[in-house]
Amino acid sequence: DIQMTQSPASLSASLGETVTIECRASEDIYNGLAWYQQKPGKSPQLLIYNANSLHTGVPSRFSGSGSGTQYSLKINSLQSEDVASYFCQQYYDYPWTFGGGTKLELK
Amino acid sequence: AVQLVESGGGLVQPGKSLKLSCSASGFTFSSYGMHWIRQAPGKGLDWVAYISSSSGTVYADAVKERFTISRDNAKNTLYLQLNSLKSEDTAIYYCAKGYYVMDAWGQGASVTVSS
Repeated sequence: DIQMTQSPASLSASLGETVTIECRASEDIYNGLAWYQQKPGKSPQLLIYNANSLHTGVPSRFSGSGSGTQYSLKINSLQSEDVASYFCQQYYDYPWTFGGGTKLELK
Repeated sequence: AVQLVESGGGLVQPGKSLKLSCSASGFTFSSYGMHWIRQAPGKGLDWVAYISSSSGTVYADAVKERFTISRDNAKNTLYLQLNSLKSEDTAIYYCAKGYYVMDAWGQGASVTVSS
């Protein structure tokens, strides 16, 4: 199985700050990567697919990048509504696997 | 709008069975693959099973031989039959639409396995 390692596990940032979350795959996943946001008490929602494509309706302050085994999610100009946990997911190979998650809080 | 509504969760004893349902609306259910994903309390996301539009299935090793995913396209409903339940199966179970990515999720059904 492809292992997905996210970092950091948690982070605290101020409003307006730029935040970056990293995701590393145990092997090349050829951009088969998605990012999800899960707000407290809610179900996950798709943000990014194909490593860098923004899902419909997702604010443009979110962006994804990377290739091979290294990927990142960037949030520009952090807003209060961005407080959530973020998960990466690979879909290059079965079984689909998720990263352990990053909990983002406001400083 | 796409809507997915899970039901059937509850408290069940170890070794017993439970069947979850996911009612879909707002899209052509028969044309899409569907997933079940679970989340143990305070933990991350754990993919469980997938069924294609033509009812081909894939399972995580942890649930293979115990769980069965199925669908009824006439009823726009996805199912997950959970057998031989263990305490480690305690989680919120989400259904989600899609193949490569899960582009819509339900609100989740809580399953607690305890004596």
